[in-house]
Amino acid sequence: DAMVIQNPRYQVTQFGKPVTLSCSQTLNHNVMYWYQQKSSQAPKLLFHYYDKDFNNEADTPDNFQSRRPNTSFCFLDIRSPGLGDAAMYLCATSRDWTGRNTEAFFGQGTRLTVV
Amino acid sequence: TQLLEQSPQFLSIQEGENLTVYCNSSSVFSSLQWYRQEPGEGPVLLVTVVTGGEVKKLKRLTFQFGDARKDSSLHITAAQTGDTGLYLCAGDNYGQNFVFGPGTRLSVLP
Repeated sequence: DAMVIQNPRYQVTQFGKPVTLSCSQTLNHNVMYWYQQKSSQAPKLLFHYYDKDFNNEADTPDNFQSRRPNTSFCFLDIRSPGLGDAAMYLCATSRDWTGRNTEAFFGQGTRLTVV
Repeated sequence: TQLLEQSPQFLSIQEGENLTVYCNSSSVFSSLQWYRQEPGEGPVLLVTVVTGGEVKKLKRLTFQFGDARKDSSLHITAAQTGDTGLYLCAGDNYGQNFVFGPGTRLSVLP
């Protein structure tokens, strides 16, 4: 049974048109992460939530925002997608934050195409 | 920022062969994880190693954490076509950050 679910699996959006990607989890984990993965590259952390506390990576563009209305759901909003934002977006969860030997569980990803 | 390096970047072998891939850093990690990612899918956790020198086996896969907790290796015995994928290591840096290596892309040919 899927524990981290991302919707949609594939998303096509127009250049500059806001888009929202969603992630839900059934693990009741405290931490939720959003990663961006471009072709042939490792996942790059954009931000994470520890419960309701939001933590942005220093080099994450302002164009990317996130919301976590409750424990189970987390959203990635891209306010004005550019061609360079086309990528696989991965959501992950972990029971606790790093430093406590915790493990991350990933969803299947949403592949975003910008046209 | 702590960096993880993985080698080789690409590996293509015949079914039945053995292989080892490496994950190295100059930094010490509290734990290190290995993931396999297939095209169009999210990474799937294979194992977490925590103790320096630790060896874990998962069927034909053997994972080792270096004594100094700076490096790790993944050895696959008698590779199968189903082992094809991107193998990612990720390090947990005592709560400061969680970093991924660039991955080793493995192709196992029939």
